[in-house]
Amino acid sequence: AQKVTQAQTEISVVEKEDVTLDCVYETRDTTYYLFWYKQPPSGELVFLIRRNSFDEQNEISGRYSWNFQKSTSSFNFTITASQVVDSAVYFCALSEPGGYQKVTFGTGTKLQVIP
Amino acid sequence: EAGVTQSPTHLIKTRGQQATLRCSPISGHTSVYWYQQALGLGLQFLLWYDEGEERNRGNFPPRFSGRQFPNYSSELNVNALELEDSALYLCASSFLPGTGNIQYFGAGTRLSVL
Repeated sequence: AQKVTQAQTEISVVEKEDVTLDCVYETRDTTYYLFWYKQPPSGELVFLIRRNSFDEQNEISGRYSWNFQKSTSSFNFTITASQVVDSAVYFCALSEPGGYQKVTFGTGTKLQVIP
Repeated sequence: EAGVTQSPTHLIKTRGQQATLRCSPISGHTSVYWYQQALGLGLQFLLWYDEGEERNRGNFPPRFSGRQFPNYSSELNVNALELEDSALYLCASSFLPGTGNIQYFGAGTRLSVL
């Protein structure tokens, strides 16, 4: 069975600090996809990134960067120079093949950026 | 382009009643997914509809059901409401069914069961 663990329930940082959100996953498949979503207080999940299991390149998008390491089954997310607008709940998710369209989400990490 | 829209935003019901939640996917998207987000439990997969058919369901009792209409919109029905059904219900859509397809979410319907 697939599983996504986000051990950090809540994190508070002061604005401009860097912060890393951890994600550890479990799957028996060799082909899978990993995602990060952001859920601001409005409730709507916003897609941030998708990574397939064959692409271990790290990615940077502005202040956001992602570190995918298959060896440790981790897909961590770093926000550089955090801003108040980054305050939200962040979810890591795993999608496995098989046509069943089941996406397993972690329990989320609530990030609070203090001005 | 309009995103995924859900209605109503809030819904208040009492135990034993039925609730109907609605979702309109992004134009061109044929797959619709429903999730339950209860406090502290993350998102739990409920149902997946594609081309009018239920393709998969999560570990929820049969009183959670739904359907997808020819225009790809969808509704989720929850019968015999229980207090623990209180949650945010999120709908998502994707362009094609397939592993790794990005799901785009609506803002959700917050159901409160009193």
